[in-house]
Amino acid sequence: AQSVAQPEDQVNVAEGNPLTVKCTYSVSGNPYLFWYVQYPNRGLQFLLKYITGDNLVKGSYGFEAEFNKSQTSFHLKKPSALVSDSALYFCAVRDAGRDDKIIFGKGTRLHILP
Amino acid sequence: KAGVTQTPRYLIKTRGQQVTLSCSPISGHRSVSWYQQTPGQGLQFLFEYFSETQRNKGNFPGRFSGRQFSNSRSEMNVSTLELGDSALYLCASSWGAGAKGSGNEQFFGPGTRLTVL
Repeated sequence: AQSVAQPEDQVNVAEGNPLTVKCTYSVSGNPYLFWYVQYPNRGLQFLLKYITGDNLVKGSYGFEAEFNKSQTSFHLKKPSALVSDSALYFCAVRDAGRDDKIIFGKGTRLHILP
Repeated sequence: KAGVTQTPRYLIKTRGQQVTLSCSPISGHRSVSWYQQTPGQGLQFLFEYFSETQRNKGNFPGRFSGRQFSNSRSEMNVSTLELGDSALYLCASSWGAGAKGSGNEQFFGPGTRLTVL
């Protein structure tokens, strides 16, 4: 069965510092991986996805994520954090090429400290 | 294009009642998924519809049901409400579904906040 884990409930980063939000996954086949962000009282917004190709994926708002097959990880990164990046971040995985449901992690709350 | 819309935005019900939530996907999107979001459980998948057919279902009791209409609009129904059903219910649409659509990102609505008293 597929699963996704976000080991940190909360991450605190000073503004201007690099940030990393961790995600690991488990699927039986090849993964499709997604990151979404949720701002207060809003629905989720798509940030980026990995389907195939380059392991480094670039997305919205300066975010990027690196697919690491050997470590089954898809960590979200940004070189320089902004206070406006403070939000709830969700990692999600789907088994590529299968008619199966998408699984979301429990979310990581990112606090950027001014 | 207009985004995913959900109605109503807020709802207050009492235990034992039933509720119907509505979702209108982005024009051209034929796949609609529903999620329940709570602080303790995170985002849990309820079901996914494509072309009026339920393609996948999460681990929720039979009190939770849904349907999709020919115009891709979807409704979700919860019968015999329990206190634990209080949550934010999110709808998401995407282009395509199943094996071919599994790589498509989803577009989420703002959600319906359901409070059960």
